[in-house]
Amino acid sequence: DGGITQSPKYLFRKEGQNVTLSCEQNLNHDAMYWYRQDPGQGLRLIYYSQIVNDFQKGDIAEGYSVSREKKESFPLTVTSAQKNPTAFYLCATTTGGRTEAFFGQGTRLTVV
Amino acid sequence: QQQVKQSPQSLIVQKGGISIINCAYENTAFDYFPWYQQFPGKGPALLIAIRPDVSEKKEGRFTISFNKSAKQFSLHIMDSQPGDSATYFCAAGTDSWGKLQFGAGTQVVVTP
Repeated sequence: DGGITQSPKYLFRKEGQNVTLSCEQNLNHDAMYWYRQDPGQGLRLIYYSQIVNDFQKGDIAEGYSVSREKKESFPLTVTSAQKNPTAFYLCATTTGGRTEAFFGQGTRLTVV
Repeated sequence: QQQVKQSPQSLIVQKGGISIINCAYENTAFDYFPWYQQFPGKGPALLIAIRPDVSEKKEGRFTISFNKSAKQFSLHIMDSQPGDSATYFCAAGTDSWGKLQFGAGTQVVVTP
């Protein structure tokens, strides 16, 4: 069953904590992305990676970090430097430019 | 600043009616314009996409109209059904490894 698996589905973070969101894919897609979704703002790109061991900042990278040690995995860490982390986080993959983006089911992060 | 402006923010349409969502962009480098459909708590899924060498693309009840000179494109949902109730996002991208700029989204409610 091919696809993108994001975990956990719900995550609660205390003030000052770092948390890591998991994204795993078995589509054999080269590129992976992290988007943040807030009500009324659409999806905004946090980080993206075209190949293993390489990644670039998106439009709102401050307070986030990523790694790409394996083609299948692209975890996102929300650090304590991110002042407003409560949001719905979506991981996506593509095979390249001008191609369909496949999305995971998302992780809803809430600061408590 | 949002590179893709989407309107309306929400709309209610009766079953069998036509839903129309509009998007406008500024960056003339964009050459790929997809529409995504998202149900609550799920990731977006590609609905239909168009490239600027055509002015219209139809897939079933969904049609994209594209006006290159006006830098505008729109989604028409014909014969709207309650199952079409979802949030719709327009997006724009280039051949740059699938990076997309999303509109803010339109929540569509189809009443029985």
